[in-house]
Amino acid sequence: NAGVTQTPKFQVLKTGQSMTLQCAQDMNHEYMSWYRQDPGMGLRLIHYSVGAGITDQGEVPNGYNVSRSTTEDFPLRLLSAAPSQTSVYFCASSYATGSRTNYGYTFGSGTRLTVV
Amino acid sequence: AQTVTQSQPEMSVQEAETVTLSCTYDTSESDYYLFWYKQPPSRQMILVIRQEAYKQQNATENRFSVNFQKAAKSFSLKISDSQLGDAAMYFCAYRSAWGSQGNLIFGKGTKLSVKP
Repeated sequence: NAGVTQTPKFQVLKTGQSMTLQCAQDMNHEYMSWYRQDPGMGLRLIHYSVGAGITDQGEVPNGYNVSRSTTEDFPLRLLSAAPSQTSVYFCASSYATGSRTNYGYTFGSGTRLTVV
Repeated sequence: AQTVTQSQPEMSVQEAETVTLSCTYDTSESDYYLFWYKQPPSRQMILVIRQEAYKQQNATENRFSVNFQKAAKSFSLKISDSQLGDAAMYFCAYRSAWGSQGNLIFGKGTKLSVKP
């Protein structure tokens, strides 16, 4: 099925551990983004990419690292997990701006991460 | 920078009645897109409706319609004939139409309850 595949769905980490959240899309979207969702805060942008080899920081980038070696994949790395990173994480993808017909974002199913 | 404000953290509606969720945004751009996303307890982000700023006609999707007031920077969502399955978090979101900053900017959400 075409869409955004995000793994894992649930994860528990200990403080200081590292891990990678995986995100893959098969729609040839140029844009890919990572958001975190916290109660009462909506979805906030962590990092985004406008194409392979190009990444940039969003609103809340500290403690996270990304790379985009291919159009399809956009992993999010937590270098040293902290309790403040307990959240629900979403990956999303879209065609680039300028597309008048396909400008919406497609979301993955989310990852619930708990750091203890 | 663009911002999106949802002033109603929670709303409640009786089944079969109509409810309107409010959203305002701030931008200096003239060309952009607006969205309403629904997030049920499954946490999947589901696109409900979208609006292009260059179109004056309000978007409609079955029981969902918007009241887009560009000058007032207002984008409210009306749900008619509310159903139990409409109970969810609803997020308003903004996207620039041009340039590299094509990320979604979200409001903090409105939790909608539907009473039988």
